[in-house]
Amino acid sequence: KAGVTQTPRYLIKTRGQQVTLSCSPISGHRSVSWYQQTPGQGLQFLFEYFSETQRNKGNFPGRFSGRQFSNSRSEMNVSTLELGDSALYLCASSLNGQAYEQYFGPGTRLTVT
Amino acid sequence: AQTVTQSQPEMSVQEAETVTLSCTYDTSESDYYLFWYKQPPSRQMILVIRQEAYKQQNATENRFSVNFQKAAKSFSLKISDSQLGDAAMYFCAYRSAGKSSGDKLTFGTGTRLAVRP
Repeated sequence: KAGVTQTPRYLIKTRGQQVTLSCSPISGHRSVSWYQQTPGQGLQFLFEYFSETQRNKGNFPGRFSGRQFSNSRSEMNVSTLELGDSALYLCASSLNGQAYEQYFGPGTRLTVT
Repeated sequence: AQTVTQSQPEMSVQEAETVTLSCTYDTSESDYYLFWYKQPPSRQMILVIRQEAYKQQNATENRFSVNFQKAAKSFSLKISDSQLGDAAMYFCAYRSAGKSSGDKLTFGTGTRLAVRP
């Protein structure tokens, strides 16, 4: 079974632009969660989608949004990028959102200049 | 809100020796899950071991075992017979068992483990 995939793996954007990151979960998994990892703030939960519905949301500004499609693939969007949005964005999937185990993707490294 | 604390930013161990990484957490819930994740330089997060709070028996996965002290809210990871491939960042994580919490993980700040040959 293929693992969680994230595209693109690396991205460089300019302050003020917007960006869309994609996550394809393991086949059959219906829950997708997103995390932001930075040296200063560590790993922080962004949001979780289950069956195309946002189930949980972390403490991030409205510039961060996401969605999930009927095939469970998920995208997250960050508008009006700020320098502080530079981070590794990790996506994780699980079978049903109540599973013991989440499987993480390799991440997307976003650099905002 | 739940918090997870890892008080050891860096640890070092000699190859083949044993090392213990510490983790404490704070929660008012009685039912939850605890995890240790490993993040090597490749940045791919890998689950090392998990513990259900309702289980008194400590989890074990090959060379990895935990010491779960529910009353003390402590969850340490012991790595036996350390190998060079164990060098990585280790994160302790908490997940509520409540249905409304879904898959949300709360992570500690991590412990960077170096393995000396």
